[in-house]
Amino acid sequence: GIQVEQSPPDLILQEGANSTLRCNFSDSVNNLQWFHQNPWGQLINLFYIPSGTKQNGRLSATTVATERYSLLYISSSQTTDSGVYFCAVVGNQFYFGTGTSLTVIP
Amino acid sequence: GAVVSQHPSRVICKSGTSVKIECRSLDFQATTMFWYRQFPKKSLMLMATSNEGSKATYEQGVEKDKFLINHASLTLSTLTVTSAHPEDSSFYICSLDRGYGYTFGSGTRLTVV
Repeated sequence: GIQVEQSPPDLILQEGANSTLRCNFSDSVNNLQWFHQNPWGQLINLFYIPSGTKQNGRLSATTVATERYSLLYISSSQTTDSGVYFCAVVGNQFYFGTGTSLTVIP
Repeated sequence: GAVVSQHPSRVICKSGTSVKIECRSLDFQATTMFWYRQFPKKSLMLMATSNEGSKATYEQGVEKDKFLINHASLTLSTLTVTSAHPEDSSFYICSLDRGYGYTFGSGTRLTVV
């Protein structure tokens, strides 16, 4: 199967700081999504981004499919951004990355 | 996007009993739905693919007789954890692919005591 590695595994930010999360994948993919899992376990879709760049408010994402990576940018972080961020890719099935646990402190 | 309703959100059961988890697609007819399991502080692992009107496809290492999946209609898939044991305690979550991304249910936290 496709290996999906995320970095960093853990991240602590002061409120207002910016951050970049990275997702590397081992093979060509048909789709890539970024999710935020809140403390209650709900997976919230952030971006559907097989290639290119998208922005939604303080979040943006870029996928360079030819180089097999994607980046998630969080600007002006807020405490509500805390949680685990997963990227997931579609090969012959949906493969989740290892996750980045983000804690934003006031 | 597609709305996926999962029920119950939390369940505690005794060892040896069975628990049924429902996953409903509220606005999309899904011929295929997916069941995942997540251990604490870990990523999600695909357990099985639920196929409407036919047998589910299980991932390697997942016990078919332990985790029974039924996809009797285009809007409902169920996962039954049979003869549950404490090691079955976990977070179970379903999803479907609407063609432009996967949407997930809110998950079920199962605790077996």
